[in-house]
Amino acid sequence: DQQVKQNSPSLSVQEGRISILNCDYTNSMFDYFLWYKKYPAEGPTFLISISSIKDKNEDGRFTVFLNKSAKHLSLHIVPSQPGDSAVYFCAASRSNFGNEKLTFGTGTRLTIIP
Amino acid sequence: GAVVSQHPSRVICKSGTSVKIECRSLDFQATTMFWYRQFPKQSLMLMATSNEGSKATYEQGVEKDKFLINHASLTLSTLTVTSAHPEDSSFYICSARGRGQVKETQYFGPGTRLLVL
Repeated sequence: DQQVKQNSPSLSVQEGRISILNCDYTNSMFDYFLWYKKYPAEGPTFLISISSIKDKNEDGRFTVFLNKSAKHLSLHIVPSQPGDSAVYFCAASRSNFGNEKLTFGTGTRLTIIP
Repeated sequence: GAVVSQHPSRVICKSGTSVKIECRSLDFQATTMFWYRQFPKQSLMLMATSNEGSKATYEQGVEKDKFLINHASLTLSTLTVTSAHPEDSSFYICSARGRGQVKETQYFGPGTRLLVL
């Protein structure tokens, strides 16, 4: 049972435009969400997170939006740069503390076209 | 950010042999380490959580006698796949977190690709 879903396995975006990566979840107990970026031969690195008490969190070019009623979150990257080409994973948890585990999506491969 | 290393990065072994994968936190004390497995086109699935000095907690469906986890020090955890079979071929990735740290500071290793012939 895939509780966190990233339905787009890949996405191509022109450099300078906005990249929008989507993530859906089914478990209503999730209240903390994170996005990770992964380059080939490297481990995922933390990008940005959001708590369920917010609907938006922004960090530079990266903004995450959360729609709790729709159980949907999205990551916006603007403007997109060639270095943003990577696999992006969405992850969810029931808490940001303790040993509550992270449940990951299957990832979306983003390619930025120069 | 902090660095987590894994060794080996890739291993090929014969069916029935055991394989050990090391996970090291290079510049911080990892009180908690996590082991994940990722099959092609699937998500990272948590296998087990280990706290330094205590037994690992395994996720449902993960055989603890087959996937032996040792977290004997604050910088090293090992995963041993015992009597490996072709269906164990996968990408294994560890992550580490320091005491009291939040999830943003859970750092991942680069992963180990295991192929069992």
